[in-house]
Amino acid sequence: DQQVKQNSPSLSVQEGRISILNCDYTNSMFDYFLWYKKYPAEGPTFLISISSIKDKNEDGRFTVFLNKSAKHLSLHIVPSQPGDSAVYFCAASVQNYGQNFVFGPGTRLSVLP
Amino acid sequence: EAGVAQSPRYKIIEKRQSVAFWCNPISGHATLYWYQQILGQGPKLLIQFQNNGVVDDSQLPKDRFSAERLKGVDSTLKIQPAKLEDSAVYLCASSKPGLAGGEGWRNNEQFFGPGTRLTVL
Repeated sequence: DQQVKQNSPSLSVQEGRISILNCDYTNSMFDYFLWYKKYPAEGPTFLISISSIKDKNEDGRFTVFLNKSAKHLSLHIVPSQPGDSAVYFCAASVQNYGQNFVFGPGTRLSVLP
Repeated sequence: EAGVAQSPRYKIIEKRQSVAFWCNPISGHATLYWYQQILGQGPKLLIQFQNNGVVDDSQLPKDRFSAERLKGVDSTLKIQPAKLEDSAVYLCASSKPGLAGGEGWRNNEQFFGPGTRLTVL
């Protein structure tokens, strides 16, 4: 039973354009969401987060949108750069239950020069 | 600030053998996690420690996996005996306690090590 889904295994975009990575979840108890970025042979690194009291959080070129009614969140990268090429994981947790995050399977983003 | 250290980086063993992985978290981080990441999947939490106590080990296959964090700092994860399906990357992460609720959880960001890639033949 996959509680966090990333239905696109891969995505290719042109440098300078917008990248949109999607994530869906099934557990309505989730109230804190994160995106992690992973380069080959490295551990995941934190990118951006959002709690359920917000519907948008922005950090530089990265914006995360949360639609609680649809149980859907998305990560927008504008403009996309070749260095953004990596695997992106969506993760979710129930805050009162601590930091036990459930990760999605990841989306591999390729930004083409 | 030094990151999370893990060793070895790579390990190849035959099924039914034993293997151990080591993790040294970021200094001052009380919480330590072990994740298993199978190819094509996201990391799956195996065990979470708060200092030297276990907070959550509900997804740890206890018949073959064990983990300890005796002094509340570094940790070892052991598999005995290994099976083919244990082939994966084993990630260690650490975090410091933070404020609960709202964006305070940002302080609970998990910092990951580079992982140990285990191949069971």
